Amino acid sequence: ETGVTQTPRHLVMGMTNKKSLKCEQHLGHNAMYWYKQSAKKPLELMFVYSLEERVENNSVPSRFSPECPNSSHLFLHLHTLQPEDSALYLCASSQDPGISANEKLFFGSGTQLSVL
Amino acid sequence: KQEVTQIPAALSVPEGENLVLNCSFTDSAIYNLQWFRQDPGKGLTSLLLIQSSQREQTSGRLNASLDKSSGRSTLYIAASQPGDSATYLCAAKIQGAQKLVFGQGTRLTINP
Repeated sequence: ETGVTQTPRHLVMGMTNKKSLKCEQHLGHNAMYWYKQSAKKPLELMFVYSLEERVENNSVPSRFSPECPNSSHLFLHLHTLQPEDSALYLCASSQDPGISANEKLFFGSGTQLSVL
Repeated sequence: KQEVTQIPAALSVPEGENLVLNCSFTDSAIYNLQWFRQDPGKGLTSLLLIQSSQREQTSGRLNASLDKSSGRSTLYIAASQPGDSATYLCAAKIQGAQKLVFGQGTRLTINP
């Protein structure tokens, strides 16, 4: 398998549930990202990990908890979400999280999350 | 604060036409400007990346230009095909930061 893989593709959860989103990259990259895409809003960066260390947290509520056990895997743990958290959650990876002008992001297909 | 805007939000053209998608950004201090394609319910696919020192990049029927002084980028699609129907997003990489700032996208429909 190649590229960036996200599971599950679709998830429906109640506000009291706990669930996790999984992302795996097969590109040998060192940086991984979580983005949120809501209807009619631009993509929002949530978290950035570089070599398994969190390097950016964009004021994301604590009900979203990321985990990066190694450079190939990234999780987003969800608990007590709100209906407004319903969105497409996208994982991405890049060679490095740095400031290279030639840095490209590679995205997974996303998890479509619905919170009831 | 960098803001990226894409107008129009939606565009519909007949097959075979050449077309231009627009992207504007407020802060010219960028490392690069990237164009992505997104099919419904799917992730983003990188199309072209223009570094801040470059003026344009080409890939097949696609040509992207960058004018930092005016805060604009365009994506030119030649001889459009129904398979080009998708949402096209541009994103600016801010200098000194690790983030891309995305526009809201232009939803393109090519009619057979």
